[in-house]
Parts: sequence; C-alpha cells; structure tokens
Amino acid sequence: NAGVTQTPKFQVLKTGQSMTLQCAQDMNHEYMSWYRQDPGMGLRLIHYSVGAGITDQGEVPNGYNVSRSTTEDFPLRLLSAAPSQTSVYFCASRPAWGPSSGANVLTFGAGSRLTVL
Amino acid sequence: GIQVEQSPPDLILQEGANSTLRCNFSDSVNNLQWFHQNPWGQLINLFYIPSGTKQNGRLSATTVATERYSLLYISSSQTTDSGVYFCAVETSGTYKYIFGTGTRLKVLA
Repeated sequence: NAGVTQTPKFQVLKTGQSMTLQCAQDMNHEYMSWYRQDPGMGLRLIHYSVGAGITDQGEVPNGYNVSRSTTEDFPLRLLSAAPSQTSVYFCASRPAWGPSSGANVLTFGAGSRLTVL
Repeated sequence: GIQVEQSPPDLILQEGANSTLRCNFSDSVNNLQWFHQNPWGQLINLFYIPSGTKQNGRLSATTVATERYSLLYISSSQTTDSGVYFCAVETSGTYKYIFGTGTRLKVLA
C-alpha cells in the first residue's frame, strides 16, 4: 500500500512550456484534490474530484487543467507555465464521505516542487 | 467564503515546554483536521476533529464547533515536533478544504 504517489518530485520549466504532474493513489479513494503551497502561506485548493469523470474548481484554478478517467489517477496539467506557478504542489485523497471518521481524513502525497523560469 | 485564522504565527519553545495552538473559523464546518508539516515538507494528519476532544500521546485537540474554534495542545515538546501546524476545514456539501496559514513551531534542545 503506497498511499498517494506524486511524480516528479522536482521539475524546472521555462515560461510557456507545458507539463503534467502525476498523482496516483492505491487506496480506492473517491475524493482527490490538488493544492499549491507558496512561501508563508497555507495550502490553496486548485481542483478536486469526487469520483471518476467528475472534477470541479477550487480557489485558484486558473492556468491548470485536470481530468479523472480512473479512480486511481488525478493528473494536473499546466498548459503554458508562468513564473507565478512556481510553487510546491500537493495531491491529497480521502475515502468517500460518510459518518465514520476514517471516511473524512485527507491523506497527502510527498509533494512536487516546480520552478518556472 | 469561510475564513480560517491560526495563532500564533510563530512559536519558539524549549524542549519539554507545553503549547497551545489555535484555529478560528468563520462558519460552521463538517470537517476539521490538524496537520503537521515536518521540515522535509511532508504533511501528516494529526487529528480529524470537527467537534469534541481527542488525544494521541503528547498531542490533544479540542474543537468547540458552536464557538467556531479548535485548539491543538502539545505537551512536553520535543525537537521532532518542530515544523508547521495547519488546520483545515471543509464546510458541508462543498468538498473544498480551506487551510489556515499555519503556526511555525521551533523546539530548541
């Protein structure tokens, strides 16, 4: 059971390049989400998904696309990278919502550090 | 949208000291979690606590949902407690987690 796996751990891009941050979980979690963390700030929600084929926007969705074709994977795409997207990106998942406490605990991946020059 | 404020923003302790971290939120929530981000950047869930009190070793947490705040207590602090502590809330039906800006804790040996 690997939990939430993010790749790559580090990436450097030039302005205008595109790339995909990968996120996979092996816990059969319905809910998956992407966050960015900037220095001195908390995490901000980019996009989230409540199941395969269903995605929605968070607080800061501009410049990012997502899709959810399987329960396991939730990739985050940067279509045309900008220096303002330099950040640490975290993927997180949790089971389907429900009354039990275990259903509502968000589990994070190790993060991906992205630098856009 | 809901606002989440954490205090204090920074805290320096001697090893063995106790501390209380606070999280205030501006609306009713159905999900509240406390996380520890270690110096390597990893985020670890400490408590899922939308209401009530829980304890896990030297850590405990209390959420008073009617008054819209949560407290995280760290007793007999150790250097390994250093890092940033975040609270995150989710309001009913939104599936959107809002994080506070964190409390940065440094425990000195």
